Amino acid sequence: EAQVTQNPRYLITVTGKKLTVTCSQNMNHEYMSWYRQDPGLGLRQIYYSMNVEATDKGDVPEGYKVSRKEKRNFPLILESPSPNQTSLYFCASSLSSFPGQGPSDTGELFFGEGSRLTVL
Amino acid sequence: GIQVEQSPPDLILQEGANSTLRCNFSDSVNNLQWFHQNPWGQLINLFYIPSGTKQNGRLSATTVATERYSLLYISSSQTTDSGVYFCAVVSNDYKLSFGAGTTVTVRA
Repeated sequence: EAQVTQNPRYLITVTGKKLTVTCSQNMNHEYMSWYRQDPGLGLRQIYYSMNVEATDKGDVPEGYKVSRKEKRNFPLILESPSPNQTSLYFCASSLSSFPGQGPSDTGELFFGEGSRLTVL
Repeated sequence: GIQVEQSPPDLILQEGANSTLRCNFSDSVNNLQWFHQNPWGQLINLFYIPSGTKQNGRLSATTVATERYSLLYISSSQTTDSGVYFCAVVSNDYKLSFGAGTTVTVRA
């Protein structure tokens, strides 16, 4: 089944304890990105990657790191989590390097099921 | 960046009713997607619709890119339609911007 898989789905951690949220897609997609969703602020992009070894900052990159060493994986790293990083996180991918470019079988963006992170 | 406005912010429907959700955007876009976020938080793709009209069962969508808006129609609503509906636009530099969403509650 074609999907974007995130782990963990739920996590409670403490301030300063490094954590990684994994994201993996099995659709051979070029583009991957991370978003966070907060009440009243909607979905905001953290980082994105248009292909392997190419990553770039989104709107709210502070406090996060990413890497794209292989096509299928795009982990989100919180080196020193803080309570303001408590949020619902989504990973997304599209076949096209440029989301929204091309017909729906290339430019459409697909989301993982979300990871709810609480930092105490 | 592109401003995306969705209306109404909240919508309460009786089961079986029809409704229209609107998405306005402030600049020309490469593309537009509609998503449904169910009560469990999952984001489900509804339509990928840069222009024109598409239909999928009881849902349909129309995008008029030249006038910078898109409409999502829900017909014969069911309780499973409850959740938040987001539109997201892709700008010419391929950045995705989400609207704030319309929260739909369908009552039995």
